[in-house]
Amino acid sequence: GAVVSQHPSRVICKSGTSVKIECRSLDFQATTMFWYRQFPKKSLMLMATSNEGSKATYEQGVEKDKFLINHASLTLSTLTVTSAHPEDSSFYICSARMIEGVARAPETQYFGPGTRLLVL
Amino acid sequence: GQNIDQPTEMTATEGAIVQINCTYQTSGFNGLFWYQQHAGEAPTFLSYNVLDGLEEKGRFSSFLSRSKGYSYLLLKELQMKDSASYLCAVMDSNYQLIWGAGTKLIIKP
Repeated sequence: GAVVSQHPSRVICKSGTSVKIECRSLDFQATTMFWYRQFPKKSLMLMATSNEGSKATYEQGVEKDKFLINHASLTLSTLTVTSAHPEDSSFYICSARMIEGVARAPETQYFGPGTRLLVL
Repeated sequence: GQNIDQPTEMTATEGAIVQINCTYQTSGFNGLFWYQQHAGEAPTFLSYNVLDGLEEKGRFSSFLSRSKGYSYLLLKELQMKDSASYLCAVMDSNYQLIWGAGTKLIIKP
């Protein structure tokens, strides 16, 4: 159990276009989903936290108008990178936190496989 | 500020034992996590410690000392597939995960 999927796994786009990344919890309901960004050989950088049915909470320095997050249901969150530029090229990872009482360990986050974005 | 420290890189031999240390200073503590991340892949959960002591799970064990702000991940009988980055993360008082930069473990035959 505890599988999180991400789609697409890899995307190449032209500068100025928008890219949508989907994150789904396949076999559990997630109260909260997280979006991370990771640069090569660096640790995860939390971008935003989203709760189903409410607005996402963005970390300091993350542009909410550029990185649009929608958490439509307890199993789906989307991240849209609007007007992407080469500096947005990165590895984007989502994770989902289980609803209390179902987790293997309290507050454990389960990660999607990541989406590698390359903006030309 | 909040801080997680772990070595940048370690090298060990196949079949041996390696210990990866993690020290932390965070506002509040709601548990410490270890994740494994292979290159180009997302992290996978290894262990969770919230009480002091050693948690053993097969070839992997994780230790926590809350008074010292210290944890280690112990890997026994190393295999080549254990070559990966190992991320230490602490959940603070707001239930937010604070991540270390990760330790790249290189296994040599």
